[in-house]
Amino acid sequence: ETGVTQSPTHLIKTRGQQVTLRCSSQSGHNTVSWYQQALGQGPQFIFQYYREEENGRGNFPPRFSGLQFPNYSSELNVNALELDDSALYLCASSSGQSDEQYFGPGTRLTVT
Amino acid sequence: AQKVTQAQTEISVVEKEDVTLDCVYETRDTTYYLFWYKQPPSGELVFLIRRNSFDEQNEISGRYSWNFQKSTSSFNFTITASQVVDSAVYFCALSDPHSSASKIIFGSGTRLSIRP
Repeated sequence: ETGVTQSPTHLIKTRGQQVTLRCSSQSGHNTVSWYQQALGQGPQFIFQYYREEENGRGNFPPRFSGLQFPNYSSELNVNALELDDSALYLCASSSGQSDEQYFGPGTRLTVT
Repeated sequence: AQKVTQAQTEISVVEKEDVTLDCVYETRDTTYYLFWYKQPPSGELVFLIRRNSFDEQNEISGRYSWNFQKSTSSFNFTITASQVVDSAVYFCALSDPHSSASKIIFGSGTRLSIRP
């Protein structure tokens, strides 16, 4: 059974640029959630995708958007990057909307 | 609003000591889930336990045990005979039942250091 994978591992971008982060869900899981974890803080919920539709969103601006594909993998897109977007971005998959979530290793984004 | 408080920012103990990580939560809902996650230096969140709000029975898993007390809105985590490999950041979390998604609200974490 393959766990949750994320790419890239690390990324450095300049303020104003756009970035795409990728997540492959665990085998058999149809739900993907994205979280942002700033340094020294707990993860904050960005949004969740269930069967290719956004299914709940946290307190993040529209420049944070996402996609889920038919194979249930997912992308997180962030436009007009700001310095405060520097964080660890975690993806979690689950087999339903309310089941236990299994997290990937994260993508560390640095915005300069 | 839902909120999770982990008042202990950092804890450092010597190996083989017992250590308890505190977690206090706030919610007006009667149905919710509580979680504990471990985050080692690699960054990946490791699921430890999920507890249903209707199940106040304490749980033990090896050296780990959890004490859920609804009356005080606490869900504390104890590691018995700690080991260096237990060093990590531990997060307590609460599910948001009002969200159509399985949104989890995390505390700010407790950094646990086990000294040899």
